[in-house]
Amino acid sequence: QQQVKQSPQSLIVQKGGISIINCAYENTAFDYFPWYQQFPGKGPALLIAIRPDVSEKKEGRFTISFNKSAKQFSLHIMDSQPGDSATYFCAASGGGSNYKLTFGKGTLLTVNP
Amino acid sequence: DSGVTQTPKHLITATGQRVTLRCSPRSGDLSVYWYQQSLDQGLQFLIQYYNGEERAKGNILERFSAQQFPDLHSELNLSSLELGDSALYFCASSVLQTTDTQYFGPGTRLTVL
Repeated sequence: QQQVKQSPQSLIVQKGGISIINCAYENTAFDYFPWYQQFPGKGPALLIAIRPDVSEKKEGRFTISFNKSAKQFSLHIMDSQPGDSATYFCAASGGGSNYKLTFGKGTLLTVNP
Repeated sequence: DSGVTQTPKHLITATGQRVTLRCSPRSGDLSVYWYQQSLDQGLQFLIQYYNGEERAKGNILERFSAQQFPDLHSELNLSSLELGDSALYFCASSVLQTTDTQYFGPGTRLTVL
């Protein structure tokens, strides 16, 4: 059972464009939603995270939009740069004492110069 | 650099063998998580330890075991290895059991021949 569904699998964007990655979750007990960035040969690095009490969080060029009623959240990368080319994972955790992260399948982002 | 260290970086072994992966959490972090990353399954939670005690289990095979030592480093033991165990194994750490922010190490790439 895939509890966090991520789309698209891959995304190609031109430099300066907006990259949008979407995730949907099923478990209403989830209360923490991070996004991780992973470069080849490296471990996932925390990019930005949000909790359900806010609908949007912005950090620099990265914004998370959160829709609790639809059980969906998305990552927007503004002014995308070639250096942003990486795999992005959404994740979710929460519900009592369960702090494990449940990950989406990942999105391979390519930003063309 | 997340501050989480993992050794070895690469490991090549044969089917039926046993290996040990090591993780040192960030200074001050009491909780350690192990994840497996493969092409078909994505990032999957294996097990969590907090201050030396097992706290949560995911889809960890019975052939796999882990422990966290008094100095808080953790080891993941994989035995009776099969070809399908070939994957990237990541360790993550967080300050407390109740802290959601997890910082990932660089991973150990295991190849079973």
